[in-house]
Amino acid sequence: NAGVMQNPRHLVRRRGQEARLRCSPMKGHSHVYWYRQLPEEGLKFMVYLQKENIIDESGMPKERFSAEFPKEGPSILRIQQVVRGDSAAYFCASSPDSLPAAFFGQGTRLTVV
Amino acid sequence: KQEVTQIPAALSVPEGENLVLNCSFTDSAIYNLQWFRQDPGKGLTSLLLIQSSQREQTSGRLNASLDKSSGRSTLYIAASQPGDSATYLCAVRPPGAQKLVFGQGTRLTINP
Repeated sequence: NAGVMQNPRHLVRRRGQEARLRCSPMKGHSHVYWYRQLPEEGLKFMVYLQKENIIDESGMPKERFSAEFPKEGPSILRIQQVVRGDSAAYFCASSPDSLPAAFFGQGTRLTVV
Repeated sequence: KQEVTQIPAALSVPEGENLVLNCSFTDSAIYNLQWFRQDPGKGLTSLLLIQSSQREQTSGRLNASLDKSSGRSTLYIAASQPGDSATYLCAVRPPGAQKLVFGQGTRLTINP
């Protein structure tokens, strides 16, 4: 089992561009969670998805951020018109059921220049 | 709103010492509490999970305790080794929620 796979590992975007972060859950896992870790801060919950459904997006910024988990393929976290404050590490976690998951990916480190 | 605090923010000790990391949470109504390890530039590795009905969990040199009534958990590391150097994160799961609420972590350095 390859574990939770996130790509890219590092992403550099200019202000105003779009960032797409991908997460492939562990085999057999149908629940995905996204967290953001700002510099020198703890992880903050963003969104919880099951296949084709957003279950809890209470941690997502109201604008520019969206997430999806299609029937086929990885989960995508999309950030439109990035700003410097979006620079952070974005972590994905997955679980086989509705537990909050102990299986985290290695993260995507987004740098906005 | 649940808040999780970890003290100290950083800790440096010589190899071989036993040490305790602290975690406190503001709302005692939790489903479970989890300790993670995070290495620089890497993801999180789950170390121990304590259900709300449990008082402690042990794995090798690690022991985690939970006192829900006082809103506290401790992670005890015995006979520390340089390989234990990492950031340790505490997270609680609120009842009825699927998310984890994390503390800011304790950055641990074990000096050879």
